[in-house]
Amino acid sequence: EPEVTQTPSHQVTQMGQEVILRCVPISNHLYFYWYRQILGQKVEFLVSFYNNEISEKSEIFDDQFSVERPDGSNFTLKIRSTKLEDSAMYFCASRGDRGDKGAFFGQGTRLTVV
Amino acid sequence: GESVGLHLPTLSVQEGDNSIINCAYSNSASDYFIWYKQESGKGPQFIIDIRSNMDKRQGQRVTVLLNKTVKHLSLQIAATQPGDSAVYFCAENSRTGKLIFGQGTTLQVKP
Repeated sequence: EPEVTQTPSHQVTQMGQEVILRCVPISNHLYFYWYRQILGQKVEFLVSFYNNEISEKSEIFDDQFSVERPDGSNFTLKIRSTKLEDSAMYFCASRGDRGDKGAFFGQGTRLTVV
Repeated sequence: GESVGLHLPTLSVQEGDNSIINCAYSNSASDYFIWYKQESGKGPQFIIDIRSNMDKRQGQRVTVLLNKTVKHLSLQIAATQPGDSAVYFCAENSRTGKLIFGQGTTLQVKP
């Protein structure tokens, strides 16, 4: 069964450092998303990406965040200067054209900012 | 504003019993809802969905009920098994495709 894969599974970084979280969406999917989940809380939408551009973003997704699809398979989330409060699980998701069954999620990257 | 919520943070059931997890939403224009299951250390996993032109949908051991009048969703799990232990989220699938998640209910299954 096709799946969304994310790397690394766990990233520890110092405050102020840049991090790049990587995702390989399901190959024939067209819509890509990043969500985050602070420990013990609900999953929050960050950004959606379609046709090589951001289609929607939340208030959380400020100038410190950026997304990119550098080639035909990868989808990345960059945080330029990490803050302690960026510590969370970050989930990549993708969906096909019809959107049935919502989005398929990766296993997540646990980001710890120290 | 957008809000999707669940009534109880934790539900504890005996193995073999039926489980009912509830969810309320605030946007009366919402037309597509999804239940996700999240096991420890994993991403949300699709369980079942329902569109607003339906009030009930059944899957394998799971049923989702939608009451649009009171803006309420429920997930029923029949014959709950230890493998059902997880956090369950309801989510509204917005027209733009983003998912708006509720707070989550932790289901604990006692053997």
